[in-house]
Amino acid sequence: TQLLEQSPQFLSIQEGENLTVYCNSSSVFSSLQWYRQEPGEGPVLLVTVVTGGEVKKLKRLTFQFGDARKDSSLHITAAQPGDTGLYLCAGNYNTDKLIFGTGTRLQVFP
Amino acid sequence: KAGVTQTPRYLIKTRGQQVTLSCSPISGHRSVSWYQQTPGQGLQFLFEYFSETQRNKGNFPGRFSGRQFSNSRSEMNVSTLELGDSALYLCASCPAGNTGELFFGEGSRLTVL
Repeated sequence: TQLLEQSPQFLSIQEGENLTVYCNSSSVFSSLQWYRQEPGEGPVLLVTVVTGGEVKKLKRLTFQFGDARKDSSLHITAAQPGDTGLYLCAGNYNTDKLIFGTGTRLQVFP
Repeated sequence: KAGVTQTPRYLIKTRGQQVTLSCSPISGHRSVSWYQQTPGQGLQFLFEYFSETQRNKGNFPGRFSGRQFSNSRSEMNVSTLELGDSALYLCASCPAGNTGELFFGEGSRLTVL
């Protein structure tokens, strides 16, 4: 059973545009992670958020954890071709294992 | 230090065969998790091993099995392969529990014909 839904599923934008990716669940998570996966590679961790309402910034990427710890968002400002990849959220809940979201495939064209 | 190493990177099998995939975690990492990634289902958790013991298991049939050795290296086996087993199999290691940062290998891409 997939507990984490991500939207949109696909996103194609031009360089310089802004975008937001969403990760939603009906369950409360104790923490949530965002990963990026590039073709031919495994996912790489971008950030971990733990506290409801928490906001973290990583250069042009802004991550937010919902107040109720059931949702999260990733906002990219002035996207670049190097941001292209599959973005995955992953939640940790009480079974001591990470559940991954459905993924958002981002393509940024120069 | 060296990252997570998975072998083989690519393999082709036919229905009914079995396959064994190998994963060498980052030195010092004791937890190894396996995931199946397909376009339709995304990343699905298979199982996690810690100190040679299976600690968590996902919702996969018994054809999927794994083990971990004393040096933390892990193998997973899929028996009686089906077409639907075609996927990228990812191994991830973590220093302790698998809810911290996961370090993934590049994966083993299995094609079942």
